[in-house]
Amino acid sequence: ETGVTQSPTHLIKTRGQQVTLRCSSQSGHNTVSWYQQALGQGPQFIFQYYREEENGRGNFPPRFSGLQFPNYSSELNVNALELDDSALYLCASSLDSLEQYFGPGTRLTVT
Amino acid sequence: SQQGEEDPQALSIQEGENATMNCSYKTSINNLQWYRQNSGRGLVHLILIRSNEREKHSGRLRVTLDTSKKSSSLLITASRAADTASYFCATRRGSYQLTFGKGTKLSVIP
Repeated sequence: ETGVTQSPTHLIKTRGQQVTLRCSSQSGHNTVSWYQQALGQGPQFIFQYYREEENGRGNFPPRFSGLQFPNYSSELNVNALELDDSALYLCASSLDSLEQYFGPGTRLTVT
Repeated sequence: SQQGEEDPQALSIQEGENATMNCSYKTSINNLQWYRQNSGRGLVHLILIRSNEREKHSGRLRVTLDTSKKSSSLLITASRAADTASYFCATRRGSYQLTFGKGTKLSVIP
């Protein structure tokens, strides 16, 4: 157990809808990273938040957005869902971008 | 884009045998890390090797790094059925982003 929790565990949405995924960091960690993992692939970096500011972003469109709160928990928001957004979404927390501890993930299915 | 590429994509061995997985990457790195993932769930950090290190051990795990060939290997000795999982290498180049390969799916047969 890493101490990183994610909710919900599973989610089914319809194309065009919006979704919010949540992540609670490990105690003492100030950095959260989000990854998308399609079936049979490795995780792809979406973005990272450090002390409530986005400080790095991967190759994902603007409809993927995030927030980090003062308690360092985080949200990933995806607007205008597409079928290809179906994936496992992983968050990872760390202290000052050092070793990352991953949560169990949220499985999103877009129909 | 994927930075690391694991080889083989799938590996099936008998319990007690050793399992070796390889990872190649494209650009210079600060460190390379290996993760395990069970049944599409969260990733578990196994071991980190820095760019100035050549070999590292942790329990039944042995990792090597050859920066001149941009490659790494993960050896699991005396494998167990519980080692059945997908294994990923991940490289860190800058201050934040981990770049993962596609993984090796290991099956250990009791």
